[in-house]
Amino acid sequence: EAQVTQNPRYLITVTGKKLTVTCSQNMNHEYMSWYRQDPGLGLRQIYYSMNVEVTDKGDVPEGYKVSRKEKRNFPLILESPSPNQTSLYFCASSLGGPGRDGYTFGSGTRLTVV
Amino acid sequence: GQQLNQSPQSMFIQEGEDVSMNCTSSSIFNTWLWYKQDPGEGPVLLIALYKAGELTSNGRLTAQFGITRKDSFLNISASIPSDVGIYFCAGQPRISNFGNEKLTFGTGTRLTIIP
Repeated sequence: EAQVTQNPRYLITVTGKKLTVTCSQNMNHEYMSWYRQDPGLGLRQIYYSMNVEVTDKGDVPEGYKVSRKEKRNFPLILESPSPNQTSLYFCASSLGGPGRDGYTFGSGTRLTVV
Repeated sequence: GQQLNQSPQSMFIQEGEDVSMNCTSSSIFNTWLWYKQDPGEGPVLLIALYKAGELTSNGRLTAQFGITRKDSFLNISASIPSDVGIYFCAGQPRISNFGNEKLTFGTGTRLTIIP
């Protein structure tokens, strides 16, 4: 089944403890992206990647890191999580770009930082 | 970043009613997309619009790309319980062959069906 898989689905962590949210797609998509969803703010882009080893900042990149060492994986790294990073996170992928082909989203990771 | 104003923020309707929602931007977009998010899931693409004035249907859903290219509309006819969820518009200011296609999302319209 063609899909974007995020892990974990739920995570509760403490301030300052490094964490990684994994994202993998099996559709050979070039383009991948991370969004966070907060009430009243919709979906805001954190980082995106157009291809292997090519990444760039979205609208809210502060406090996050990403890497794209292989096409299928695009992990999101929080080096020192803070409570304002409590949110619902989505990974998404697209074959030729979201404006052309739309995004396929994962099921989300709900992160709570205490 | 760019803002997309989506309205209404929430809707409470009875089964069988028609639904209308819209999305406006302060700048021109070349692509408009409409997504639906079911509870506990990621958004799923419903309709994509690529041309000003374009009207596209997907079952009971119809979306339009505004003539000014600064707005888009989504209508749902004869709503059913499975229509419940959050609807997001998304706009793309330009299409390039080199990626970097920024997609800006609206704040969402939450649809609830009253029994």
